[in-house]
Amino acid sequence: GEDVEQSLFLSVREGDSSVINCTYTDSSSTYLYWYKQEPGAGLQLLTYIFSNMDMKQDQRLTVLLNKKDKHLSLRIADTQTGDSAIYFCAETPPFYNTDKLIFGTGTRLQVFP
Amino acid sequence: DTGVSQNPRHKITKRGQNVTFRCDPISEHNRLYWYRQTLGQGPEFLTYFQNEAQLEKSRLLSDRFSAERPKGSFSTLEIQRTEQGDSAMYLCASSLFRGKGFESYTEAFFGQGTRLTVV
Repeated sequence: GEDVEQSLFLSVREGDSSVINCTYTDSSSTYLYWYKQEPGAGLQLLTYIFSNMDMKQDQRLTVLLNKKDKHLSLRIADTQTGDSAIYFCAETPPFYNTDKLIFGTGTRLQVFP
Repeated sequence: DTGVSQNPRHKITKRGQNVTFRCDPISEHNRLYWYRQTLGQGPEFLTYFQNEAQLEKSRLLSDRFSAERPKGSFSTLEIQRTEQGDSAMYLCASSLFRGKGFESYTEAFFGQGTRLTVV
């Protein structure tokens, strides 16, 4: 089946690091993504990683990919209240010529002062 | 370019009525996607177009749903004989697809969605 799994909720103190985890379904997926969704706003792509990479860093964001375990994580350093949102991981199937996204259920990140 | 635009933003309809949503993608984007998001869930793929051709439809897309992209620009999603279970956020996204492969990644940009409530 096509089930991308995430924990539902994460609460962190402002200034701490946040780690959001995801288990995806297809070890052959080409790209894996992290999206952010804030109330009343569309989905915003935060970062993505190619499946031939283990790690990608982009400012406060670090993505780790473990292909063997089909595990993807997003670390947000120095988490701010503006980071409070729902975070979705997503994958694209490996089939030729399709780039549809398969999303996880989302992790709600709450940052408190 | 103002990004992906969806109209209306909100729609309340009575059960059994037909509704139509519109999506205007980013102008040079050749691919357009429709997703549905219910409360507490991630978006689920419905269908996508490359230019005017509808290339894939999810099994979630029942016979009551139809999507078109007649000139390869804007797209419409129609739901006939709406049911309460159709209540959801309908999201549109577009991208400039240049083929699969590690060197050809392109980003899908999402609109703000149309929230449908069937009463």
